[in-house]
Amino acid sequence: GDSVTQMEGPVTLSEEAFLTINCTYTATGYPSLFWYVQYPGEGLQLLLKATKADDKGSNKGFEATYRKETTSFHLEKGSVQVSDSAVYFCALWDDKIIFGKGTRLHILP
Amino acid sequence: ETGVTQSPTHLIKTRGQQVTLRCSSQSGHNTVSWYQQALGQGPQFIFQYYREEENGRGNFPPRFSGLQFPNYSSELNVNALELDDSALYLCASSPDADRKNSPLHFGNGTRLTVT
Repeated sequence: GDSVTQMEGPVTLSEEAFLTINCTYTATGYPSLFWYVQYPGEGLQLLLKATKADDKGSNKGFEATYRKETTSFHLEKGSVQVSDSAVYFCALWDDKIIFGKGTRLHILP
Repeated sequence: ETGVTQSPTHLIKTRGQQVTLRCSSQSGHNTVSWYQQALGQGPQFIFQYYREEENGRGNFPPRFSGLQFPNYSSELNVNALELDDSALYLCASSPDADRKNSPLHFGNGTRLTVT
């Protein structure tokens, strides 16, 4: 069945560091791919999405490119801030939505 | 616009009991879905309702059931509670049933503890 695998956390970085959170997927169809973020004490929020191969989603300085050949959707940001500290979930949507386990990100000032 | 609201925020129940969780969807949204998020895990899809009909279900037993009302608010009912049902239950709404292209708007969840 369909699945999402993302790198285990926690990930701890200093402010202004480069961020990559890896996400790979398996799917039988042609899913849409998403990154959701959960800030402390809040519900999940959509961060970005891509609906077909080679699409790039971007928002708030974060980017991810839908790579069909490597079945990946890695999240990147060039310079992280303390306010980016949160849990990040990669997800795919084929016939139903499937989330990864989440990656907790800590940014140190 | 009013976001997705869930009630109650916390709940403690005993094994074997029944529970009802409630969700008010965001204004203008006619689709509601429910998720179970165990500690340290990602949300797992329970089911979705579109215009008062269930139109998608994950791998959850029939003791997990739901309703959607004409105002698009929704309930999640769980019968015969088990210890493993302890989790954060999330509700999300979206403006239509084309889930691949509709972003989900999540509530803050109901934390259910079964003892």
